[in-house]
This record gives sequence, structure tokens and C-alpha cells, in this order.
Amino acid sequence: QSVLTQPPSVSAAPGQKVTISCSGSSSNIGNNYVSWYQQLPGTAPKLLIYENNKRPSGIPDRFSGSRSGTSATLGITGLQTGDEADFYCGTWDNSLSAYVFGTGTKVTVL
Amino acid sequence: EVQLVESGGGLVQPGGSVRLSCAASGFTFSSNSMNWVRQAPGKGLEWVSYISSGSSATHYADSVKGRITISRDDAKNSLYLQMNSLRAEDTAVYYCVRWWGVLPAATFDYWGQGTLVTVSS
Repeated sequence: QSVLTQPPSVSAAPGQKVTISCSGSSSNIGNNYVSWYQQLPGTAPKLLIYENNKRPSGIPDRFSGSRSGTSATLGITGLQTGDEADFYCGTWDNSLSAYVFGTGTKVTVL
Repeated sequence: EVQLVESGGGLVQPGGSVRLSCAASGFTFSSNSMNWVRQAPGKGLEWVSYISSGSSATHYADSVKGRITISRDDAKNSLYLQMNSLRAEDTAVYYCVRWWGVLPAATFDYWGQGTLVTVSS
């Protein structure tokens, strides 16, 4: 089972904002940078945020990330129907010597 | 353009073996560490294995340790995953993923489209 905990789902109307939490521990989020991945239906995951809050080229600034202690948060503003996807946090776990993913959060645009 | 193209998936009997391949292009393959990540049908992402550039280090998830071997051929720009003693719970889409950066700041920056392995009799 995943060592990073996310809410199963979040939803909001178009144009609104959602936040997704990712809770871990000192062996993972507490001592390593967090990435976020977006998986659109039927496609491979894509890097959305790296090093807690940096966006790869081409990712709009509607997507933002932050980390505090052993938790991380992904924010999506100006929600669009095209944002409907599964989102996963991920980071290295020093105790497990393994990369760990969050449980995943489905974003629904109402 | 970075491209990762997996192949080798299919239907395998329980206890059987399969070798997955990943053809990389668009970047200097030998300079990058690589990974395999899998996703069971309707489930979340699970990291499977890591191999460093130069093959000096490998890591495996506990769920596959002893049954899976990751390797690479830099001359062929290819990554491999040899899977033995397959179980029903190994059924998943397997993604080839590039590792970018150095811990504690590393990430998975490019993903292949995946290849489906189905373990069933």
C-alpha cells in the first residue's frame, strides 16, 4: 500500500480552485523534494510539478505546488474541463530505498 | 524530442516469464538513470525498479524483489525488465520512465506509453 496519502477525489466548478494534499513522513516528503504527476484518462502520466513547486516547460501557472514539513499540496486555479484527471504525488523514501507514489486523487469538474 | 517506446507485453501464464523492452531516443540515454513504473487496471501508480546510468546501482520494490531484473544496453539505447515467476498481481501496464536530477531533488520527467502485461491462465 502507498505510504503517501491523498484524498480519493476533489471537485469544483469551472473557473474555481481545488487543492490536493499529500501526506507523508520524515523518511520521504520530510527530506526529499515532491513531484506531482497528471494522468489524463487513457494516457500515461505526465510530470506536472517537480522540486515541490517548479513547473516544467509548457505547464501553465494555474498549477502550483508547495511543501510544508511532511506534507505537500497541489493547487489548480481556473479549473477547466480538460483538467479532469488523476493526480499523483511522488518522492523518494530514504527508509525504503524506493520511490513512493501517493494514493492518487481524481479531479472532477462539475 | 524525448521518446520512450515499450514493447514485450502480452498474456503470460502464472509462473511464467516475460521480458519488457524500452527503446529510448531524443536524448543521451547513457547519461540518464531509468525506471519502470507499473499500474494495475483501475489502480494507482507503483514504482517497480531503478537502474543508474552505467548500471552501477539498481533498486527494486519489495513486491518484485527476487523475481525481477532491470538492465540496460547503452549501445542500443534500450532498457529492459526481465520478469520471472509471474503472479496474477503482476498484471499491469508497465511504463518506462526517465529519472531526471539527483536526490533529494530527482523526478520522473518523461514516460513511455506503457505496455500491458496480463498474467492469467
